[in-house]
Amino acid sequence: DAMVIQNPRYQVTQFGKPVTLSCSQTLNHNVMYWYQQKSSQAPKLLFHYYDKDFNNEADTPDNFQSRRPNTSFCFLDIRSPGLGDAAMYLCATSVSAGVVYNEQFFGPGTRLTVL
Amino acid sequence: GENVEQHPSTLSVQEGDSAVIKCTYSDSASNYFPWYKQELGKGPQLIIDIRSNVGEKKDQRIAVTLNKTAKHFSLHITETQPEDSAVYFCAASGFGNEKLTFGTGTRLTIIP
Repeated sequence: DAMVIQNPRYQVTQFGKPVTLSCSQTLNHNVMYWYQQKSSQAPKLLFHYYDKDFNNEADTPDNFQSRRPNTSFCFLDIRSPGLGDAAMYLCATSVSAGVVYNEQFFGPGTRLTVL
Repeated sequence: GENVEQHPSTLSVQEGDSAVIKCTYSDSASNYFPWYKQELGKGPQLIIDIRSNVGEKKDQRIAVTLNKTAKHFSLHITETQPEDSAVYFCAASGFGNEKLTFGTGTRLTIIP
């Protein structure tokens, strides 16, 4: 089945130690998103790629970076994780914004713990 | 920008009864309104969506209604079951806009 896959599902890192989360998709969608979700809150968009075009949200800290080497893969890099970065990180995909409706499909998420 | 409000934040319903969650949006240009169900420790799952050219859509026990004039839309779950317990998010998006604006979520608990 076509899907959005996130690895690892659980990640523990130390304060200040860089960490990379990965996302892959078999949907062949050209838009990929990274969201941060803290407990009992709605997902918060960090950034998204429309093909190779990177779109950063204005309030996303510089500590968060992303790479998309090809259509299928996208990475979230947290350069110096702080305690406040502990959260669920969700990857999502959608087809081109050129279509009328923007259905987004989410992966299962990576739960990040910062010690 | 778009703002989506969602109510209630928590809802407890006896098994077999109906549940209704309501959302309002601010941008009249929004034309796509999905609902996501998120179970504990999992990613959000799209359960139903409605588009601005439709007033109501139904899929088995789940239905969504849209009132474009009043700028609100609602999720209706009938004959609730324990597996319906989850957090539900509404969202809104406009034409050609690849971003969704989410509501704040409703924690639905089905009481056996």
